Amino acid sequence: AQTVTQSQPEMSVQEAETVTLSCTYDTSESDYYLFWYKQPPSRQMILVIRQEAYKQQNATENRFSVNFQKAAKSFSLKISDSQLGDAAMYFCAYRSRSIQGAQKLVFGQGTRLTINP
Amino acid sequence: DTEVTQTPKHLVMGMTNKKSLKCEQHMGHRAMYWYKQKAKKPPELMFVYSYEKLSINESVPSRFSPECPNSSLLNLHLHALQPEDSALYLCASSHPGGRYNEQFFGPGTRLTVL
Repeated sequence: AQTVTQSQPEMSVQEAETVTLSCTYDTSESDYYLFWYKQPPSRQMILVIRQEAYKQQNATENRFSVNFQKAAKSFSLKISDSQLGDAAMYFCAYRSRSIQGAQKLVFGQGTRLTINP
Repeated sequence: DTEVTQTPKHLVMGMTNKKSLKCEQHMGHRAMYWYKQKAKKPPELMFVYSYEKLSINESVPSRFSPECPNSSLLNLHLHALQPEDSALYLCASSHPGGRYNEQFFGPGTRLTVL
């Protein structure tokens, strides 16, 4: 079974600074997807960024980028120029690609990010 | 329309009540999910419907009964719940055949069982 570990329960960063959230995972599969989801205090979970395991190039979405190290099974999220609206719980998630159809996401325990003005 | 809606936003019920949670999406997704989320914890998968058929049941107690009347609608029927069932219930949807099969989440229903 796959597992996802987020070793930082809480992080804080000054507004406009850069912060990196860590995520490691364990799997025996070679083909899968990784996601970062954000859940602000208003509760709605939204997708921040996704990565396909077979792609070596790290995904980027505006101020959000990932450092995907497949051999190390690491998938960290970097947030540049942090903004107050980035304050949220961030979940790293894994999904198998080998099984088609609707499949469960395996979530990490989450990292609560605080932005200091 | 890229939204998943859930009603009600909040629900308080006694242990003998019967209530239902509703989830709706109009994105053409054919997979829908129910999750339970406790405070400061990740969502825990409860049920998955794929093409209106129950495909995954994560050993959820029978006091939770899911229903998928059509491809846009997902219900969760609640009966004889326990106080420990108090949580945020999230609905999500995805396109099973899509490239990423990424899940879109609704805002959730905050359930309190007295």
